Amino acid sequence: AQSVTQLDSHVSVSEGTPVLLRCNYSSSYSPSLFWYVQHPNKGLQLLLKYTSAATLVKGINGFEAEFKKSETSFHLTKPSAHMSDAAEYFCVVSDQLDTGNQFYFGTGTSLTVIP
Amino acid sequence: NAGVTQTPKFQVLKTGQSMTLQCAQDMNHEYMSWYRQDPGMGLRLIHYSVGAGITDQGEVPNGYNVSRSTTEDFPLRLLSAAPSQTSVYFCASSYAFSAEAFFGQGTRLTVV
Repeated sequence: AQSVTQLDSHVSVSEGTPVLLRCNYSSSYSPSLFWYVQHPNKGLQLLLKYTSAATLVKGINGFEAEFKKSETSFHLTKPSAHMSDAAEYFCVVSDQLDTGNQFYFGTGTSLTVIP
Repeated sequence: NAGVTQTPKFQVLKTGQSMTLQCAQDMNHEYMSWYRQDPGMGLRLIHYSVGAGITDQGEVPNGYNVSRSTTEDFPLRLLSAAPSQTSVYFCASSYAFSAEAFFGQGTRLTVV
């Protein structure tokens, strides 16, 4: 079975500074990996996904993530934080069961952006 | 295109009551699933379905039932609500393995 570890439960950055949200996973296959964002009282929105193509994945709103198989990591970055980036971020691994796919969620990282 | 629609958005139940959370998608996705979100625990899978007539249990299925009579709808039933079921519930759908999941806006359920 897969597992996902988000290494920081809270991250705080100043507006205009870089963002790094860390994610490690365990997998016995070539996984599909995702980052989702959840703004307060909202549903989850896909930021980006990795599905065994390019290891550097670009997503929406200036976010990107790099898949590093040797480190089993899929860290999310953004060069310059904006106030609107304040939200909860989830790293997700997709596994294929005999009868379909299942998503495994990390416990989330809450991003605070300080003006 | 509505995507994934969940109703209701908010619900308060008394212990022992039953209710159904509705989920509908208009993307013709085969895979649908229900998750609950609790503080510090991410999202945990309750039940999922790989197509009409096929359902299976996820990580935390106790106290919940599902059925999938059509591709579009995947209701979640709480048989006898308990305070431990106070949570935010999300329905999701996807068209295939390794495909992104589309989520509804969530149902915030409080059991008193």
